[in-house]
Amino acid sequence: QQQVKQSPQSLIVQKGGISIINCAYENTAFDYFPWYQQFPGKGPALLIAIRPDVSEKKEGRFTISFNKSAKQFSLHIMDSQPGDSATYFCAASKPINKFYFGSGTKLNVKP
Amino acid sequence: GAVVSQHPSWVICKSGTSVKIECRSLDFQATTMFWYRQFPKQSLMLMATSNEGSKATYEQGVEKDKFLINHASLTLSTLTVTSAHPEDSSFYICSARDRGNQPQHFGDGTRLSIL
Repeated sequence: QQQVKQSPQSLIVQKGGISIINCAYENTAFDYFPWYQQFPGKGPALLIAIRPDVSEKKEGRFTISFNKSAKQFSLHIMDSQPGDSATYFCAASKPINKFYFGSGTKLNVKP
Repeated sequence: GAVVSQHPSWVICKSGTSVKIECRSLDFQATTMFWYRQFPKQSLMLMATSNEGSKATYEQGVEKDKFLINHASLTLSTLTVTSAHPEDSSFYICSARDRGNQPQHFGDGTRLSIL
């Protein structure tokens, strides 16, 4: 059973637009929700993370929105740039435990 | 900060040989390290979790005798693929976590090709 469901599988956005990737989870014991960015041939890099006591967290152009009641969280990339073209993974974990990753979203930002 | 170095980045070897991959945390002490396998265009699949000085915990379906993990120090973990075969060809990625901290910091992966 997939613990974290991620959508869409792929996304095309024009330069300057907003990219939105969504994730949903079932296990209410999860208390940490990170987003990772991965370029081809490289390991994932931590972008931003949130805990369930906060509804939104913003770091630069990246924002996580968290809806505890709906058990959903999303990544918003404002003013998307071609350099943001990569695969994005959401994840969830229980306290100091392993990560459950989403299936990934391939983002293509058109110039 | 939180840099994880993985070596080698790419290795090609003949079927039947063993291959060792190293994962080092360069600027923090990694009490826990994780080893993942990633197939093209797919998500990360956790293979095992290792805590410094303890035996690794393997995920269901992962052969512990084939994928040997050693986490002998707070900065180094190794994955040895024993008697490798073409079906073991994949992208292997390690990650490390500091004591009490949640984020996992990833290495840049090792592309393993078995001929």
